[in-house]
Amino acid sequence: QQQVKQSPQSLIVQKGGISIINCAYENTAFDYFPWYQQFPGKGPALLIAIRPDVSEKKEGRFTISFNKSAKQFSLHIMDSQPGDSATYFCAARFGYKLSFGAGTTVTVRA
Amino acid sequence: NAGVTQTPKFRVLKTGQSMTLLCAQDMNHEYMYWYRQDPGMGLRLIHYSVGEGTTAKGEVPDGYNVSRLKKQNFLLGLESAAPSQTSVYFCASSFAGTKQETQYFGPGTRLLVL
Repeated sequence: QQQVKQSPQSLIVQKGGISIINCAYENTAFDYFPWYQQFPGKGPALLIAIRPDVSEKKEGRFTISFNKSAKQFSLHIMDSQPGDSATYFCAARFGYKLSFGAGTTVTVRA
Repeated sequence: NAGVTQTPKFRVLKTGQSMTLLCAQDMNHEYMYWYRQDPGMGLRLIHYSVGEGTTAKGEVPDGYNVSRLKKQNFLLGLESAAPSQTSVYFCASSFAGTKQETQYFGPGTRLLVL
């Protein structure tokens, strides 16, 4: 079973709106939580990442919120743009390995 | 820099046939990984390598073998392909140690097993 549970499976947002993707994990040994962005026909690329000793990290329009006690973290995409339409994967690292969520397909309508 | 490249981009196999997927990176990364991506499953780790000559099993290793004879190359082999191995395969690489956090992915190989 997947070690990182991601929701929703897909979402549609209007241009300028906020997209929120949530992830949950059980393994408290995870020590690094990245988000990857994938466009159709391409490989995933690192978007933003956070460590568990930080509650929030912001890079431009993208923010990760991290709740260590709840074992949850989320990605917020502010002022969503059509170019943000992609599949987003959360992940968690233990040792050499990343465990990925199932992915969320975000569609931004102009 | 080409980054991470994968060969071939697309392949159709018949059940029982064998093939090798090639991954190459020019970033002098120590670690390399093979994932498969299936709808609704995210990316699942097949095998990985933390250095030339070393390999280890990931989450879904059955039916696959790997080799890392050169630091820049990581090969994924299917000895006897099965329809369940129809998937998109991604190779990734990263630095070792505290710099290993970012994995760089190739463009993927789409494999169809009939």
